[in-house]
Amino acid sequence: DGGITQSPKYLFRKEGQNVTLSCEQNLNHDAMYWYRQDPGQGLRLIYYSQIVNDFQKGDIAEGYSVSREKKESFPLTVTSAQKNPTAFYLCASSLSPQGNSNQPQHFGDGTRLSIL
Amino acid sequence: AQKVTQAQTEISVVEKEDVTLDCVYETRDTTYYLFWYKQPPSGELVFLIRRNSFDEQNEISGRYSWNFQKSTSSFNFTITASQVVDSAVYFCALSEARRGSEKLVFGKGTKLTVNP
Repeated sequence: DGGITQSPKYLFRKEGQNVTLSCEQNLNHDAMYWYRQDPGQGLRLIYYSQIVNDFQKGDIAEGYSVSREKKESFPLTVTSAQKNPTAFYLCASSLSPQGNSNQPQHFGDGTRLSIL
Repeated sequence: AQKVTQAQTEISVVEKEDVTLDCVYETRDTTYYLFWYKQPPSGELVFLIRRNSFDEQNEISGRYSWNFQKSTSSFNFTITASQVVDSAVYFCALSEARRGSEKLVFGKGTKLTVNP
């Protein structure tokens, strides 16, 4: 079945440690996104990528890094510079806009990151 | 700047009641897209609807209906004859309709609890 796979489902980080969250999609979507969700909050955009080997910062990119070496993969690294990393992280993907028609984003099941 | 406001933080209803979730948005663009997503307790976001700014027709899909009014910058969502399975957090979101600007701006969500 086509979809977006995020792993792991739960992740724990020690102080000063970098951790990487995986996001893989087999929908042949061009664009991929990372969002952060805090309790009682909406989703905030961390990074997004519209094509391979290119990505842009979202609203809260500080303390995070990404890569887009393959169309189907968009891993997110939470670095030690991110002082408050405890949150629910959601990855999404979408087709490129068709004309001026924005395509809906489809989401993975999320990764819950906690500090040890 | 774009902004989405969902003023209702939490709503609780009894099964079979109708319920309306409010969404008010702000944008300077004349062309834009509005979305509703459902986030059940499992965490993933499920796409419900996309509406472009030129289409003000109301839409009905089963027990779900949407009322888009540009004059009041609102895109409200009504669930008719609610069911326990409708319990979730519902997010309204907005995006610009320009290539390279497919980022979604989310409201903070409305948590709907449907009690048996």
